[in-house]
Amino acid sequence: DAGITQSPRHKVTETGTPVTLRCHQTENHRYMYWYRQDPGHGLRLIHYSYGVKDTDKGEVSDGYSVSRSKTEDFLLTLESATSSQTSVYFCAISESRRLQGAWTEAFFGQGTRLTVV
Amino acid sequence: TQLLEQSPQFLSIQEGENLTVYCNSSSVFSSLQWYRQEPGEGPVLLVTVVTGGEVKKLKRLTFQFGDARKDSSLHITAAQPGDTGLYLCAGVERAGNMLTFGGGTRLMVKP
Repeated sequence: DAGITQSPRHKVTETGTPVTLRCHQTENHRYMYWYRQDPGHGLRLIHYSYGVKDTDKGEVSDGYSVSRSKTEDFLLTLESATSSQTSVYFCAISESRRLQGAWTEAFFGQGTRLTVV
Repeated sequence: TQLLEQSPQFLSIQEGENLTVYCNSSSVFSSLQWYRQEPGEGPVLLVTVVTGGEVKKLKRLTFQFGDARKDSSLHITAAQPGDTGLYLCAGVERAGNMLTFGGGTRLMVKP
């Protein structure tokens, strides 16, 4: 299994509080992604990183920020959690942008279940 | 509207039946991937298709990439209960950087 660890695995927090989710990898992969998964929506990209301090927005980035100060760590922060951010959050890593014309495999963490009450 | 549209969203079939899942887009992709996800776990890669028209087989699963590289299909022959799960297609637009996913097809195969 690819070395990806998400923490915490479960969290319940109150509306309006800040929350930080951590993704740690031991694979030295360049790309890291944060997704949220909700029923009927598959996986929606929140933010991604293509290197240390290099990040960009995904399709549902409002209300979220990220930081990547080291290759191995990618943090997702909800500045002021809302009930609409209740979801399962997945971190993924990918080695390189293209390999012989194809994207390389993305490896996923086991997810963080976040409940905002 | 999602970049990648999957159909059907849900599929419940009997063991031994065949099925096809579709992944469609108006955008061109450098490659498309299919993942399978089981409850409580992250998605796991099944296959990557790269060339327009490409067909790849993985035991009873057949994956096809459209000639124009805008769509893909997954065909399962003689489905087994072990095939039950969420099937997701994913891709990066030709000039893009973001790995985006379709909404998924939830398959249930009854014994």
